[in-house]
Parts: sequence; structure tokens; C-alpha cells
Amino acid sequence: QLQLQQWGSGMLKPSETLSLTCAVYGGSFNTFYWSWVRQTPEKGLEWIGEINYNGIINYNPSLKSRVTMSVDRSNNQFSLSLSAVTAADTAMYYCARGGRMVGVTIYSFFDYWGQGTQVTVSS
Amino acid sequence: EIVLTQSPGTLSLSPGERATLSCKASQSLSNNFLAWYQQRPGQAPRLLIFGASIRATGIPDRFSGSGSGTDFTLTISTLEPEDFAFYYCQQYANSPPITFGQGTRLEIK
Repeated sequence: QLQLQQWGSGMLKPSETLSLTCAVYGGSFNTFYWSWVRQTPEKGLEWIGEINYNGIINYNPSLKSRVTMSVDRSNNQFSLSLSAVTAADTAMYYCARGGRMVGVTIYSFFDYWGQGTQVTVSS
Repeated sequence: EIVLTQSPGTLSLSPGERATLSCKASQSLSNNFLAWYQQRPGQAPRLLIFGASIRATGIPDRFSGSGSGTDFTLTISTLEPEDFAFYYCQQYANSPPITFGQGTRLEIK
């Protein structure tokens, strides 16, 4: 059974960099895209971006200037960095298994999720 | 960016009743690339439906999805107590970005 386990900084001050990592256990890592999604009561669910085994990345244009994603193939892990955080970045952050390639089409729905990390930005 | 609008915002029903949730897209979704999720308090979202009408593994058959183009529906045929939760639609037809609807709260009447 596939499991995603995530960890990272939960309390940040404005202008700091958020860092989260998600480890994938019990399933294939190299045939999917792996995503980060955040959730706030005000904006709901917001997709941040995705990365695959080969390091191909797609970002949400609204966050692209501040987001960096990376993959660690040897440990089946992927990571998120979000720079220059503000109070607006306070949210629950989830990692999730997303896109699967079938031919040239990517089917990007999320069938496995991490447990979530609450990130709070406050001075 | 494709905007998804869900209605109603809150749906108040009783166990045993039928629930109908709507999701409307600002543009037509090619290949019916729409998914539905259920989220209970304190939990991550759970995939119910993908491809507009295909139930995910382990999802009871009281959950069904329908629709095409810009109009999609999630139907729960006979509500069980554990079905009272939040429901979200998500499109993956036009990405980036992948986008979600704002959610429908299904509450016990």
C-alpha cells in the first residue's frame, strides 16, 4: 500500500523560506508526477506544482516566482521550497501523488495524499 | 486558468436522502478531465471520482459522477452518516494550473 509521509518547518517568520519534504513508501516512484497542494479556509485547495522522477516540473503561475521543487531519486522523496513567505502563505500543506502518463496525456488527479503539515507564518 | 464553481455552498440533508452536487467549469473540460474528492475534518482529501464518472478504488457505488463539457454532477444515492463532509471538484484538463472548486459542505439536517 502506497504511503506518503511529509515533514518540514511548521512555524516561520515573514520573509523566511518554507521547506517541506515528502517520502514515498510502498509503490512506484518513477511513473508519476508528485504534487504539492495547500489549503486555507479562505482560498480552499490550491495546487502549488508538480515534479516527476526525471525532474520535469510544472508550477502554478501564481506562485512560480517563489517556488522551487526538487526530487531525490535515491530516497524516493520530493521537496518544496517557498521563499519570502507572508501571512498569506499560512496554510495546511499536502503532498500528493498526481499525474500519470498514458501515451502523451497526463492524467493529473490525486489518489494518495500525505498527512498534511500546518505551516504558520507570523512575526 | 479554468475556474470551477460549485453549488450549493451548503447542502442540508438527512441520512437516507439523495444528494446532488454541482460543479461548473468556466471552459469546456476536454476528455471530461474532472475529479471529485471528499474531505472530512482533520483529514486529507480522498479521491472519489476521476474522468468525471469513474469511481476510484474502494469507493462505494452510492457515489456516482456524471456530466461533460462544463457541467458536472456528483450524486450520492442514499446518504450514510459518514458521507456528511466537504466535497471538492478538480479539473486537470488545462494545466498548469490544476484548479479546484471552492467546495460544497454536506451537513446533516
